[in-house]
Amino acid sequence: GDSVTQTEGLVTVTEGLPVKLNCTYQTTYLTIAFFWYVQYLNEAPQVLLRSSTDNKRTEHQGFHATLHKSSSSFHLQKSSAQLSDSALYYCALSGRMQQGTGSKLSFGKGAKLTVSP
Amino acid sequence: DMKVTQMPRYLIKRMGENVLLECGQDMSHETMYWYRQDPGLGLQLIYISYDVDSNSEGDIPKGYRVSRKKREHFSLILDSAKTNQTSVYFCASSLGTGGYAEQFFGPGTRLTVL
Repeated sequence: GDSVTQTEGLVTVTEGLPVKLNCTYQTTYLTIAFFWYVQYLNEAPQVLLRSSTDNKRTEHQGFHATLHKSSSSFHLQKSSAQLSDSALYYCALSGRMQQGTGSKLSFGKGAKLTVSP
Repeated sequence: DMKVTQMPRYLIKRMGENVLLECGQDMSHETMYWYRQDPGLGLQLIYISYDVDSNSEGDIPKGYRVSRKKREHFSLILDSAKTNQTSVYFCASSLGTGGYAEQFFGPGTRLTVL
């Protein structure tokens, strides 16, 4: 099956400093795409980044991530954290057991990022 | 306006009562999902539906069942609710069945089972 391991629990960074949330995965499925979802307080999760191309950098809202299949990683980074980045972040991968079957998304356990002044 | 809706938003039930959570989407998405979210456990997949009457178990289906009779509507049913089913439940939908598309989430239903 799929297994996503990400930075978990509480992560605190100071405004203006860089932030990195790690994400690695193990899978026996046919992997399709990788995602970072963000969930702001009392809101629903929403997609932040998506990638299915090895070694290609993907960027959105100042965040970036590069899928590295050689190391099974899809780490999330931002060079300068902002107060508004405080949220819950999930790494996820989409895979299917075999060709012709439906896909499903497997989530990591989530990391709560707090950006302090 | 692309949207996933959930009803009700808040629900309190007693142990042993039946629970019906409803989800709708206006995007004609083929695939719909039910998750529960608990602190420290993240989002756990309960069921997936790839289209009308085409449902598959997720990672934690025990104690739940689903119904999808129309593409835009997906229900989660708890027969005889248990206290450990207290959680926030999210419905989501995505375009196609291939797995490349992002999932759009509803606002969630906070269920408390006493």
